Amino acid sequence: KAGVTQTPRYLIKTRGQQVTLSCSPISGHRSVSWYQQTPGQGLQFLFEYFSETQRNKGNFPGRFSGRQFSNSRSEMNVSTLELGDSALYLCASSLGWSGLGTDTQYFGPGTRLTVL
Amino acid sequence: GENVEQHPSTLSVQEGDSAVIKCTYSDSASNYFPWYKQELGKRPQLIIDIRSNVGEKKDQRIAVTLNKTAKHFSLHITETQPEDSAVYFCAASHSLYSSASKIIFGSGTRLSIRP
Repeated sequence: KAGVTQTPRYLIKTRGQQVTLSCSPISGHRSVSWYQQTPGQGLQFLFEYFSETQRNKGNFPGRFSGRQFSNSRSEMNVSTLELGDSALYLCASSLGWSGLGTDTQYFGPGTRLTVL
Repeated sequence: GENVEQHPSTLSVQEGDSAVIKCTYSDSASNYFPWYKQELGKRPQLIIDIRSNVGEKKDQRIAVTLNKTAKHFSLHITETQPEDSAVYFCAASHSLYSSASKIIFGSGTRLSIRP
């Protein structure tokens, strides 16, 4: 099975711009979660999507949004970029609510966003 | 709110010695506890996990223990090797036949193995 893929891998933007990141989950996985990782901050949860619905949300401003498509692929959007948004953005997929009690998340390689 | 505390934040051990990382969770409904290893420049990878109906699980040099009463769980690495150097994250989640699966990560432990 192919793993979780994310595009693009690297991105450079300037303050005030917006950006869209994409995540393709493992085939059959219905849940996609997004995380922001900065040096020393660990993994900060952004949101989780399951069956095209946002199921959980972290403590990030409304500039951060996402969506999930019917094929489970997910996109994350950040508007009005700030310098502090520079980070590695990871997505992770899992089976989600399948009745199997399996929550194992598999991470993608991440998109490294640099805001200048 | 739900929280997972992880200690220590950095750990340096001599090659061949053991390393222990501890996590405490706040949500008593948590029933699944994975551990991830993230090497420099790479994605987090699941190395071991444990469910709440089990007290201990081993996989070669890695073991995880869970104390539900105290709400803490630990990662034990024995006979450490240079390739064990990485950042380790613990996590806790509760989801079993339910509609919402929320996973909370600890802040990470940077493990360095001294030759």
